[in-house]
Amino acid sequence: GAVVSQHPSRVICKSGTSVKIECRSLDFQATTMFWYRQFPKKSLMLMATSNEGSKATYEQGVEKDKFLINHASLTLSTLTVTSAHPEDSSFYICSAVGRMGNEKLFFGSGTQLSVL
Amino acid sequence: DAKTTQPPSMDCAEGRAANLPCNHSTISGNEYVYWYRQIHSQGPQYIIHGLKNNETNEMASLIITEDRKSSTLILPHATLRDTAVYYCIVSRVSGGYNKLIFGAGTRLAVHP
Repeated sequence: GAVVSQHPSRVICKSGTSVKIECRSLDFQATTMFWYRQFPKKSLMLMATSNEGSKATYEQGVEKDKFLINHASLTLSTLTVTSAHPEDSSFYICSAVGRMGNEKLFFGSGTQLSVL
Repeated sequence: DAKTTQPPSMDCAEGRAANLPCNHSTISGNEYVYWYRQIHSQGPQYIIHGLKNNETNEMASLIITEDRKSSTLILPHATLRDTAVYYCIVSRVSGGYNKLIFGAGTRLAVHP
């Protein structure tokens, strides 16, 4: 099946720094990618929809200046958490859908962000 | 998109069938039923999806009622590795893709 690679799998950073998370579709072209966050023992919460070559669409309550999304190519989307604070500590997960408008999404393995 | 209701937790003995129910009484005609699962600290894994007909693949079977208001995911011979949170999601393709909104899911524990 299709593979989505997410990097890094774990990152620890100091408060006030920015962290970039990469999401790559390895064997297909992803016109659309989604970013989710998940707190411990909670479900996934959709943050934004990222379309290649255009601005991301953010869900209500998600700060677009805080969570910068770039989808510059058909195989790569990045999420940058700017000026991270401890409350941004979470599990971030990306998913991708292919050019054919696939009915199913493929998910990355997630990034555990810990802000000290 | 229609919402779903799932029991918060279920238990199953290893080797037995696990039947996970999902209610989606407000589903509309062009919405699919998807099942994903998430093993601790990993990204969700696709299991199966369907529109009207029952579906089967190497992982599971999906039984959708005739009125489409509920469905059941069946893991025919559960193993310890099937312990995970199972999410039933209803969604439709719009603008070339479908956006999956996750509910609370069912935490399935498979025990020896």
